[in-house]
Amino acid sequence: GESVGLHLPTLSVQEGDNSIINCAYSNSASDYFIWYKQESGKGPQFIIDIRSNMDKRQGQRVTVLLNKTVKHLSLQIAATQPGDSAVYFCAENNAGNMLTFGGGTRLMVKP
Amino acid sequence: DTEVTQTPKHLVMGMTNKKSLKCEQHMGHRAMYWYKQKAKKPPELMFVYSYEKLSINESVPSRFSPECPNSSLLNLHLHALQPEDSALYLCASSPVRDTISQYFGPGTRLLVL
Repeated sequence: GESVGLHLPTLSVQEGDNSIINCAYSNSASDYFIWYKQESGKGPQFIIDIRSNMDKRQGQRVTVLLNKTVKHLSLQIAATQPGDSAVYFCAENNAGNMLTFGGGTRLMVKP
Repeated sequence: DTEVTQTPKHLVMGMTNKKSLKCEQHMGHRAMYWYKQKAKKPPELMFVYSYEKLSINESVPSRFSPECPNSSLLNLHLHALQPEDSALYLCASSPVRDTISQYFGPGTRLLVL
């Protein structure tokens, strides 16, 4: 689900399935993107990043895809687990090297 | 120690009170940040300190006053807040003023009555 402003889009998946969380960014000059995971009552936690000169980057169970043509970023989580339940934010590096966060997507994992 | 700590975890204050939020990191980071996060919204940058000097103030009202006493500590002094200032206040740090490795604390949940 993409950020639409006033409410958190929610993605509900079955445990063990793959999850795909999407994000649209606004600044075509952004050269760096990060995905953060925020669990209830905690601060955002870094998951994975990607530079604008890359299309794909893989981590442990996570993959980030970047499509600069349509200014779209996605986070793929393989074999989703209950511990993956959280709100996921994308963030882009804007002018002045500061982060601008996207609206967030809530991931709910059903056992 | 790869942790950013924040105190208190929760704070309730009246509109005439003065209170302070504290943030501490011992990772040797030289950039520290304050963010404000409303429910179901992303964090919004408030202030950036780089080498203990204020480098960015994102047009934050003067009732919020940041202070960086040393490279490990960051305070946010609160005075005459409004109910709409109720939010989660997040502190973050990074080695220098870049975005690659910002570590966030757990936040202080503030309620203004």
